[in-house]
Parts: sequence; structure tokens; C-alpha cells
Amino acid sequence: DVVLTQSPLSLPVTLGQPASISCRSNQSLVYNGGHTYLNWFHQRPGQSPRRLIYQVSKRGSGVPDRFSGSGSGSDFKLQISRVEAEDVGIYFCMQGTHWPNTFGQGTTVEIK
Amino acid sequence: EVNLVQSGGGLIQPGGSLRLSCAVSGFIVSDNYMSWVRQAPGKGLEFVSVIYGGDNTYYSTSVRGRFTISRDISNNTLYLQMNSLRPDDTAIYYCARAGPTVSTHFDCWGQGALVTVSA
Repeated sequence: DVVLTQSPLSLPVTLGQPASISCRSNQSLVYNGGHTYLNWFHQRPGQSPRRLIYQVSKRGSGVPDRFSGSGSGSDFKLQISRVEAEDVGIYFCMQGTHWPNTFGQGTTVEIK
Repeated sequence: EVNLVQSGGGLIQPGGSLRLSCAVSGFIVSDNYMSWVRQAPGKGLEFVSVIYGGDNTYYSTSVRGRFTISRDISNNTLYLQMNSLRPDDTAIYYCARAGPTVSTHFDCWGQGALVTVSA
């Protein structure tokens, strides 16, 4: 199975400041047709995951534009331009290029 | 409006069986890839199973041979039949739409159902 490694695992942030999470894969996530299936999710305590980003950099419906995704091949990043209080929780990356789909171990974002 | 409503979780003894349901509104289950994902207490997310097309299925190695994913077209519901349950199957189980397009890849999730396997 493809292994996704996130860093950092814990990220204390200051409100209004930027934040960045890395996700690295042990295999290329480029599919045969040239597309890369890498998603980012946010999960608040006691809630289901919510998809933020799909196909590396596309924002899901209703996702604020302070969230952005970037990267290629096996190295990806989620960035929050200005952290708000509602952004606390756990962030997961997930690859959909290879079966089974696999997830990163999660990054916990908390306010300093 | 898209909605996935789960039911069927609970406490079960090791070796027992349980069936989870995921009733979908807002899209047709059989026209989409549908998946089950689980999250052990305090842990990350783990793919369990997916169903797509003409009843094609795929399972993680940890549940293959014990769990069965299925769907009912008449009531637009996804199921997960779990047999020979083990304590390490204890988790919140989520249903989610998993495709077929990239824009629908894990774009909506159920509220989760807690399964606790314990004597």
C-alpha cells in the first residue's frame, strides 16, 4: 500500500497567521492519464471528515479561498493563508491514485 | 440536497456480526462509487471497502473475507456486513461517496457509526 507521511504531526498556530502542512508519498501519485489524485480533508472533534481540496489544488464546494493545495509527483502541501479559529482540528491527506486509497496519519492544528 | 444517514453501530462480542447501513438522498448510489472508511479511537482514517459499477468490490486486506459491501437500488442504501468481528475492528465507520469523477471523490460523508467489539 502507498504510504503517505505528513509533517508536522502537531501544528500550533497564531490566529491570522499562515500555516502549512506537508504530505509526502512513497510512490508517485501521477495516474496513467496524467492526473494526480491527492485530496486534503479537515476533521473537527466529533465530526466527519470534510473534503477541502481534491486533485492536488482544486477547492471543494464552499471551501474558503484561504485554503490552497499545491505539489506534484510525490510531494504535496496544504496551506492556510490566515488561520481562523474554526480551522482547528485534524488535517489528513489522502491518495486516490493507487488502490487501496490511503491516508496520511493526520496533522493536529491548534491555536497558540 | 445530498445527505448520507448511517445506522447500525453498537457493542458486539468478538466473533459476532453486525450490519451497517448508509441511506443516501440527493444522488443515486448505484451510479457512484461508494466506500466505507473507519477510524479507530484516537487514530487516523483507514480505507475499508468500495463498491462501483456492476457490483464490483474491493476490500482492504484487514477485512477481506470477513466484511461484505453491498447496495440496495430500491432504497438507495449502502451496506457493510461485518462478520467474525475482532477487537481491532473497533472504530467509527463512515460511508462516503468515492467517485466516479474526481469532483465526487470523497466529497460527502455520513455522520459515522461507532462499532465496539468487546467481551
